[in-house]
Amino acid sequence: KQEVTQIPAALSVPEGENLVLNCSFTDSAIYNLQWFRQDPGKGLTSLLLIQSSQREQTSGRLNASLDKSSGRSTLYIAASQPGDSATYLCAVRVASKLTFGTGTRLQVTL
Amino acid sequence: DTGVSQDPRHKITKRGQNVTFRCDPISEHNRLYWYRQTLGQGPEFLTYFQNEAQLEKSRLLSDRFSAERPKGSFSTLEIQRTEQGDSAMYLCASSLPTGTNTGELFFGEGSRLTVL
Repeated sequence: KQEVTQIPAALSVPEGENLVLNCSFTDSAIYNLQWFRQDPGKGLTSLLLIQSSQREQTSGRLNASLDKSSGRSTLYIAASQPGDSATYLCAVRVASKLTFGTGTRLQVTL
Repeated sequence: DTGVSQDPRHKITKRGQNVTFRCDPISEHNRLYWYRQTLGQGPEFLTYFQNEAQLEKSRLLSDRFSAERPKGSFSTLEIQRTEQGDSAMYLCASSLPTGTNTGELFFGEGSRLTVL
C-alpha cells in the first residue's frame, strides 16, 4: 500500500526566505507526482506535476524535484511571500488514483 | 472554461438525512474522481469514472454512498442516512486519460458536509 509522508507538518518563516518542503513515498512505481496548494476551506490548486521519467519541474518561484528510486520529492519556494501561506500537499499517482500526504502548513510572516 | 464546478459548496444536514452533491468536470475531460478530506488530513480516494463507467471504488465507499455519471458528463455523489462521521469536504477532480497527456488532475472547490 502506497504511503506518503510530508515533513514538516507545519512551518513558519519570515518573508523573503527560501524554503524546502519534503515529501516521501513508499512505493517507487509511480506514474507521476503532483504538488498542490490548498487555502483554508478551499479546494486544491495544482502547482507542479513531475512525470516519473523527469527529475524536476519549475514554475516561477517554485521548483519541484523527484528522486523516484529513493521515494523522495522536494518543493522549493524561493523568496517567500505572505501570499504563499497555505497548506501544500504532495500526491503520487499509481494507476488511476492519487495518494496524498497530510500536507505541510506554511505561514509566511511579515 | 470555468474549471471543475461543485454544488453545493456547503451543506448542513441532520443525522439520518440523505444528501446529494454534484460535480461538473472540465468539458473535455473524460475521467472524473471523487475524494473525501477530513480536517487536517490529505484527501482520500473514493471512486472514479471513465466516461459513464465507474471503474474503481474504494472500500471507504460504504453501501450508503452511491456515485453516478449517467451521460459521461456531470456526476452526483449521494450519501444516504448520513452519520456524523460523514462530515468532511467532498472533492471532485477531472482529467484527460493517461497515456495521451500528463494525467494531471484538476480539482473543484469542494462541497463541505456538516452532519449535526
